[in-house]
Amino acid sequence: DTGVSQNPRHKITKRGQNVTFRCDPISEHNRLYWYRQTLGQGPEFLTYFQNEAQLEKSRLLSDRFSAERPKGSFSTLEIQRTEQGDSAMYLCATRDAPSATNEKLFFGSGTQLSVL
Amino acid sequence: DQQVKQNSPSLSVQEGRISILNCDYTNSMFDYFLWYKKYPAEGPTFLISISSIKDKNEDGRFTVFLNKSAKHLSLHIVPSQPGDSAVYFCAASRGTGGFKTIFGAGTRLFVKA
Repeated sequence: DTGVSQNPRHKITKRGQNVTFRCDPISEHNRLYWYRQTLGQGPEFLTYFQNEAQLEKSRLLSDRFSAERPKGSFSTLEIQRTEQGDSAMYLCATRDAPSATNEKLFFGSGTQLSVL
Repeated sequence: DQQVKQNSPSLSVQEGRISILNCDYTNSMFDYFLWYKKYPAEGPTFLISISSIKDKNEDGRFTVFLNKSAKHLSLHIVPSQPGDSAVYFCAASRGTGGFKTIFGAGTRLFVKA
């Protein structure tokens, strides 16, 4: 168990460019979440997968954002036509099948995006 | 619509004393509450949790108290240690299953040696 892995750790891009981030979950975890965190704020929910199915997407999420989880393994988050307001830490979190005592999320180290 | 609120952005405590971090929530449907700890350049890590059927959960130096009628929970750290200096996030979720976890804005704890 190597934990949740996110790549890249840092991404600097120019406004208008597309970027893609990758998340590799803990192998037996079938639930995967993407969050975004800006300075001084807590993680903000973006989207959630159960296996390969995307079950929920934040209403605040622009249609420039898209996420996939092919075959229920790794996940990618793509931002098209990036804007300066997209600058944030993008966090991936996973969790095992739910139970009454297993609500905790395991987070990766995040991808820090800077849009110039 | 901030469903989970941490009204203190920062807290400074002397080593060995008690640290008390507070959290309020508005959604009465939440039934599971968690605290996460975050160091710079790392993702949050789980610290302690409590189900809504309980009012206290203890794990070593960390205790979480839940007051459902007031929709308030608190995290007590005693004794505080310099290594506890980090940002602490309060979080809440609804039901077992895939429901998203909602986080507060965090409280930065400084433990002075």
